Amino acid sequence: DQQVKQNSPSLSVQEGRISILNCDYTNSMFDYFLWYKKYPAEGPTFLISISSIKDKNEDGRFTVFLNKSAKHLSLHIVPSQPGDSAVYFCAASALRGSARQLTFGSGTQLTVLP
Amino acid sequence: KAGVTQTPRYLIKTRGQQVTLSCSPISGHRSVSWYQQTPGQGLQFLFEYFSETQRNKGNFPGRFSGRQFSNSRSEMNVSTLELGDSALYLCASREIDLYTEAFFGQGTRLTVV
Repeated sequence: DQQVKQNSPSLSVQEGRISILNCDYTNSMFDYFLWYKKYPAEGPTFLISISSIKDKNEDGRFTVFLNKSAKHLSLHIVPSQPGDSAVYFCAASALRGSARQLTFGSGTQLTVLP
Repeated sequence: KAGVTQTPRYLIKTRGQQVTLSCSPISGHRSVSWYQQTPGQGLQFLFEYFSETQRNKGNFPGRFSGRQFSNSRSEMNVSTLELGDSALYLCASREIDLYTEAFFGQGTRLTVV
């Protein structure tokens, strides 16, 4: 049972355009959401996060939107650059017992074409 | 500060063998989590340790186990390896287990032949 879903395994975008990566979740206990970026042969690195009390968080070229009623979040990258080409993982956090646990989606491979 | 260090980086084992992977968290971080990454499956949560105690466990068979030492370093062990255990195993550390942002190591690529 996948509680966090990234339905697009891959996405190609032209350099300078907007990249939109989507993520859906099913567990209403999730109250914090994160995006990680992963290059080949490296571990995932934290990109941006959003609390469930907000609907938008912006950091430079990266903006995350949260629609709680639809249980949907998205990551917008504007403008997209070739160096953004990587696998992007959506993650959701919930308090489980006395500790927080991260649940990851399956990832979306973003390719930014020059 | 040094980042999360995982050893070894690459490992080839034969089916039926057992393997131990090591993770040294960021200095001062007491929470260590392990994940398995396979193509199309994303990062599957294995378990989390905090102050030498397992706090959470994912849906993996008992062949997968782990432990954490008093210096927060962690090891995970897989016994009776199967071909399907071939994956990238990632370790992540957090300062305390109530924080959400986790810092990942580069992973150990395990190939079972």
